[in-house]
Amino acid sequence: QVNLLQSGAALVKPGASVKLSCKASGYTFTDYYIHWVKQSHGKSLEWIGYINPNSGYTNYNEKFKSKATLTVDKSTNTAYMELSRLTSEDSATYYCTRGGFDTYYGYKGFAYWGQGTLVTVSS
Amino acid sequence: DIQMTQSPASLSASLGETVTIECLASEDIYSNLAWYQQKPGKSPQLLIYYANSLNDGVPSRFSGSGSGTQYSLKINSLQSEDVSIYFCQQNYDSPPTFGGGTKLELK
Repeated sequence: QVNLLQSGAALVKPGASVKLSCKASGYTFTDYYIHWVKQSHGKSLEWIGYINPNSGYTNYNEKFKSKATLTVDKSTNTAYMELSRLTSEDSATYYCTRGGFDTYYGYKGFAYWGQGTLVTVSS
Repeated sequence: DIQMTQSPASLSASLGETVTIECLASEDIYSNLAWYQQKPGKSPQLLIYYANSLNDGVPSRFSGSGSGTQYSLKINSLQSEDVSIYFCQQNYDSPPTFGGGTKLELK
């Protein structure tokens, strides 16, 4: 079964960077894009961007272009997101997620989610 | 970006009741709408896709409907395990965008 296992919670200082990981299993890693989603204050969700693990191609939400950098390591089936120049506004839970597909309708939406990584920015 | 407006922001209902959550898109999204359920302390889970298709393993008391810019999620015969936050999300255009969420509680 599809599983996305994310790295543990991080406490980071303002101005620093943090790199989150998402290890995929249960499917062929290079066949599906990995997306990242931010959830602030336990409620609203924002799409950060996606990476194609096969080619390394990335597509970012304009809002996060200067904040997030997505990479993958195909040898370990792991996706990474680095967040830079952190401020209190970056304190949130970050999820990696993967699309699901229906034989008739095609793309279903975000069908598989990691457990989330809580990032707290504080001095 | 396409704006998704959910209503109500919070909802209190009794066991066995039927509840409806609405989602309004800022432009036509041609049924490219998904609904997610997020239980306390957990990741979101896909409930409904393409506006009205039930995802695998989702109880039949959940249903989705709508077209154009207006969509709704209905939960029949509310159960205690349905206490969650519900989100709509459009995947018609990039960036995919989410509604603000509806917090469903038991009365």
